[in-house]
Amino acid sequence: EVQLVESGGGLVKPGGSLRLSCAASGFTFSNFGMNWVRQAPGKGLEWLSSISSRSNDIYYADSVKGRITISRDNAKNSLYLQMDSLRAEDTAVYYCARVFHGLDYWGQGTLVTVSA
Amino acid sequence: EVVLTQSPGTLSLSPGERGTLSCRASQSVSSSYLAWYQQKPGQAPRLLIFGASSRATDIPDRFSGSGSGTDFTLTISRLEPEDFAVYYCQQYDRSPWTFGQGTKVEIK
Repeated sequence: EVQLVESGGGLVKPGGSLRLSCAASGFTFSNFGMNWVRQAPGKGLEWLSSISSRSNDIYYADSVKGRITISRDNAKNSLYLQMDSLRAEDTAVYYCARVFHGLDYWGQGTLVTVSA
Repeated sequence: EVVLTQSPGTLSLSPGERGTLSCRASQSVSSSYLAWYQQKPGQAPRLLIFGASSRATDIPDRFSGSGSGTDFTLTISRLEPEDFAVYYCQQYDRSPWTFGQGTKVEIK
């Protein structure tokens, strides 16, 4: 069974940093691209970043470019999102998702709250 | 950036009725790279349709997708109680991948 489990969310002050993790199981992680998507409270889905299976292709949304870094460790079956210079508007549930004909599997999400 | 505009914002229907959701792109999107997702409160999104018209695994055949170029449609032939949710389209043709703002299908 494919499983994606995010962790690392929590309360952080404006200007702070956070590193999210996504642990993958039930499939050959190194064969699939991965994405991060977020959803602010009561709002729609916002695509953030994509990384190819071997990390040679990486893309970011303009809204977060320069403040986030996506990475992966295929040996550990893990995806990461480093977020810096956090702002109140970054408050959201952050999802990792597997790339296969769109985003075919999603984690349950981890909540990031940016507040003083 | 490809902007996806979904309409209507809210669709009020009764169980058993047909639902038609629209997704319009600001520039042409390859049909191979247009997806639809369903999201219920407190849950992660679920992939319904990929490649504009192909159903994802275990998706009932009452869900169908169509369209090409800049106009795409998700049709729910007969709404079941579990279908009341928010639906998003997404293009994964070119970066940045983008989502529409969503259509809420609510019980009339």
